[in-house]
Amino acid sequence: EVQLVESGGGLVKPGGSLRLSCAASGFTFSSYSMNWVRQAPGKGLEWVSSISSSSSYIYYADSVKGRFTISRDNAKNSLYLQMNSLRAEDTAVYYCARAPDDSSPYFDYWGQGTLVTVSS
Amino acid sequence: AIRMTQSPSSFSASTGDRVTITCRASQGISSYLAWYQQKPGKAPKLLIYAASTLQSGVPSRFSGSGSGTDFTLTISCLQSEDFATYYCQQYYSYPPLTFGGGTKVEIK
Repeated sequence: EVQLVESGGGLVKPGGSLRLSCAASGFTFSSYSMNWVRQAPGKGLEWVSSISSSSSYIYYADSVKGRFTISRDNAKNSLYLQMNSLRAEDTAVYYCARAPDDSSPYFDYWGQGTLVTVSS
Repeated sequence: AIRMTQSPSSFSASTGDRVTITCRASQGISSYLAWYQQKPGKAPKLLIYAASTLQSGVPSRFSGSGSGTDFTLTISCLQSEDFATYYCQQYYSYPPLTFGGGTKVEIK
């Protein structure tokens, strides 16, 4: 069974940093592109970042470029999102999501999400 | 960036109804479109990809159609568990990957 479990969310002050993790199991993690998608309270879905299976290709939304860094450790079956210079508008539930392959970036499995709150 | 526009943003329907949700892309995206269902407090769930291919395990009352700029998600006979918010997403041109604003299906 495919499982994606996010962790690392919490309350952080504006300008602060946070590192999210996503632990994957039930599939060959190193064969799949992985993604972060967020959802602000009461709002729709917003794609944040993608990383290809071998980390060769990395993409970011303009809203987070230069502040967030996506990475993965295929040996540990883990995906990460380092978030720096956090702003109030980054407050959201952050989902880890799998894409079925490197050339088809839709999301066939999602984690349960982790809430990030940026507030003073 | 390709903008995805869903309509309506919300509507009420009854169990047993046939419902259709529309998604329009700001430019042609061939068939590179996915649909998701999200219930309150839960992660989204993939329903359809490649505009019309049903994800494994999704009931056959769900169907998708369209190509280019205009797409529809149809639920042939609405069930109680289908009351949720639905999102479309294009993956033709990225970054960025973009979602529609969502369509909330409520109980009449």
